Amino acid sequence: AIQMTQSPSSLSASVGDRVTITCRASQGIRNDLGWYQQKPGEAPKLLIYAVSNLQSGVPSRFSGSGSGTDFTLTISSLQPEDFATYYCLQDFNYPLTFGGGTKVEIK
Amino acid sequence: QLQLQESGPGLVKPSETLSLSCTVSGGSISSSSSYWGWIRQPPGKGLEWIGTIYYGGSTYYDPSLKSRVTMSVDTSKNQFSLKLTSVTAADTAVYYCTRRHRVGSGIYYIDYWGQGTLVTVSS
Repeated sequence: AIQMTQSPSSLSASVGDRVTITCRASQGIRNDLGWYQQKPGEAPKLLIYAVSNLQSGVPSRFSGSGSGTDFTLTISSLQPEDFATYYCLQDFNYPLTFGGGTKVEIK
Repeated sequence: QLQLQESGPGLVKPSETLSLSCTVSGGSISSSSSYWGWIRQPPGKGLEWIGTIYYGGSTYYDPSLKSRVTMSVDTSKNQFSLKLTSVTAADTAVYYCTRRHRVGSGIYYIDYWGQGTLVTVSS
């Protein structure tokens, strides 16, 4: 199975900060990577698919980049509603695998 | 707007079988661009993919669960189901049903999730 290593596992940031989260795949996964946001007690929500495609309704402050094995989620200006846990998911082959998650907390 | 809703017992005894259903509304489970699946999340932990099923019956399971998992589709009810046998406390989790969407010839993503249902394994 492809291992997805996500970092950092947690971070503290302030409103307005630029935040970057990374995921590294144990082998190349083309552009088959998505990013999800999960708030406590809620189901995850798709933010970005195929590395850099913004899901409908997701604010443009979220962006994704990368290729091959290294991928990044960037929040350009952190907003109060962005404090949550973020996961990457490789959709290149089965079994689908998630990164371990990054909890974004208020500084 | 597609909606997914899990249903099933919230408490299962050790060694018994966990059975959940997911009812799809606002769209057809027989859509050629949709793959249906289950993902779980143990309390306080990350997301774990369980498996995927296509309306035609093709299934893909996580290797660590493959010997205990069965997924099925009932197109007449617009539902799909999960069975997990011989459960232990380690199977305690919130279980989500999901839709994995195919765009064009090769882009896939999980775009719809049920609200999740907590299943506790305990005697």
